[in-house]
Amino acid sequence: SAVISQKPSRDICQRGTSLTIQCQVDSQVTMMFWYRQQPGQSLTLIATANQGSEATYESGFVIDKFPISRPNLTFSTLTVSNMSPEDSSIYLCSVTGVYEQYFGPGTRLTVT
Amino acid sequence: GIQVEQSPPDLILQEGANSTLRCNFSDSVNNLQWFHQNPWGQLINLFYIPSGTKQNGRLSATTVATERYSLLYISSSQTTDSGVYFCAVEDLVSGGYNKLIFGAGTRLAVHP
Repeated sequence: SAVISQKPSRDICQRGTSLTIQCQVDSQVTMMFWYRQQPGQSLTLIATANQGSEATYESGFVIDKFPISRPNLTFSTLTVSNMSPEDSSIYLCSVTGVYEQYFGPGTRLTVT
Repeated sequence: GIQVEQSPPDLILQEGANSTLRCNFSDSVNNLQWFHQNPWGQLINLFYIPSGTKQNGRLSATTVATERYSLLYISSSQTTDSGVYFCAVEDLVSGGYNKLIFGAGTRLAVHP
C-alpha cells in the first residue's frame, strides 16, 4: 500500500485568493489523481497528473482554475485559483497500487 | 459514461446489527472497489473486487459482474463502522485508465 500525505490539512481562505495543496507519496508512482468532494457529496475526479507531461483534466475542470504540477514521481501540487465560496470542498490526492486506489487524508478548504 | 448507483442512501443501525449495502453499475467493469470514509474524511480502501467474494473480518463483499452489481456486508456492526461507504468502478468506456467513477455513497450511522 502507499502512504500519502497532504499539506495543508485544512485552510480558510478569502475569495479571490489562491491556495496550493501539496501531495507527497512514499513511493514512486506513474500517475497521481486529484479529486474534489463538495460538502455532503461524492468524489469527482479533477485531473490525472503524469510526471513530465501536462495534466489531463476532466470535463468541467480547466487548467487556469486548477493548475497542477508534477515535478517528480513522488510529488504533485494542485492550486485552486481565484477562489469563490463554491470552491469550498475537500481536495484529495490519490494513487494506484497494484489494483487498489489509495487516498491522502484530504485538504479541507473553506472559502469565505 | 458508466453510471454507479448505491442503495440505500442512508442507514441507521443499532450496534450489533447486520447490514447489506448495494452497488449497481451500468456497464462491464474490470475494477470495482469499496471504500469507507470515516467521519474525519479519510478514505480507506476496503475491497478490490471486480468479481467473486472476499472477506475481511466482519466485512465481506460479493460482485456478480454478469448482473452488474456488488454487495457489501457488514456483520455485528460497531460504532466505528459509522461513516460513508462508497462504491467506485473504473470508467473503461471513456478510456480512463484507473479513472474511478464513484457512486453517491451510503451514509451509515451505528448507534450504541
